[in-house]
Amino acid sequence: DQQVKQNSPSLSVQEGRISILNCDYTNSMFDYFLWYKKYPAEGPTFLISISSIKDKNEDGRFTVFLNKSAKHLSLHIVPSQPGDSAVYFCAASEGNRDDKIIFGKGTRLHILP
Amino acid sequence: NAGVMQNPRHLVRRRGQEARLRCSPMKGHSHVYWYRQLPEEGLKFMVYLQKENIIDESGMPKERFSAEFPKEGPSILRIQQVVRGDSAAYFCASSPPWVRSQYFGPGTRLTVL
Repeated sequence: DQQVKQNSPSLSVQEGRISILNCDYTNSMFDYFLWYKKYPAEGPTFLISISSIKDKNEDGRFTVFLNKSAKHLSLHIVPSQPGDSAVYFCAASEGNRDDKIIFGKGTRLHILP
Repeated sequence: NAGVMQNPRHLVRRRGQEARLRCSPMKGHSHVYWYRQLPEEGLKFMVYLQKENIIDESGMPKERFSAEFPKEGPSILRIQQVVRGDSAAYFCASSPPWVRSQYFGPGTRLTVL
């Protein structure tokens, strides 16, 4: 059972434009959500997170939006830069489950020159 | 402040041999998590450990796999009698107490011949 779903395996965006990566989840007990970025042959790098008590969190070029009623979150990157080309993983955890993180399958983002 | 360290980065084993993967968490981090990534898949939780204790091993295969995090030294993920299906990237993550974001190491890529 896929509790965290990233339905777009890949996404191409022009440099300078906004990249929007989407994620859906099914477990209503999730209360903490994270985005990780991964380059080939490296470990995932933590990007940004959001608690379920918020609907938006912003850090520089990265903003995460959470819609609890729709069980949907999105990551916005603006403006997109060539170094943003990577695989982005959406992830979630339940506070009372010792914080093991459940990952989506990832979306490969290509930033076009 | 060194990040999460994993070694070896690459490990080749023949079927039936044992694989030992090591993880040194970041300084001050007492929580260690192991994840496995199969090709074209997201990361799957395996086990969560604190010093000398296994907190959650719900993602560990029932046989051949074990993990420990001793009082001194790195955390070890041990796979006995490896099979081809064990070939994957194994990532370790760590976090300090009360912080829900996990920081990942570069991974160990296990290839079983």
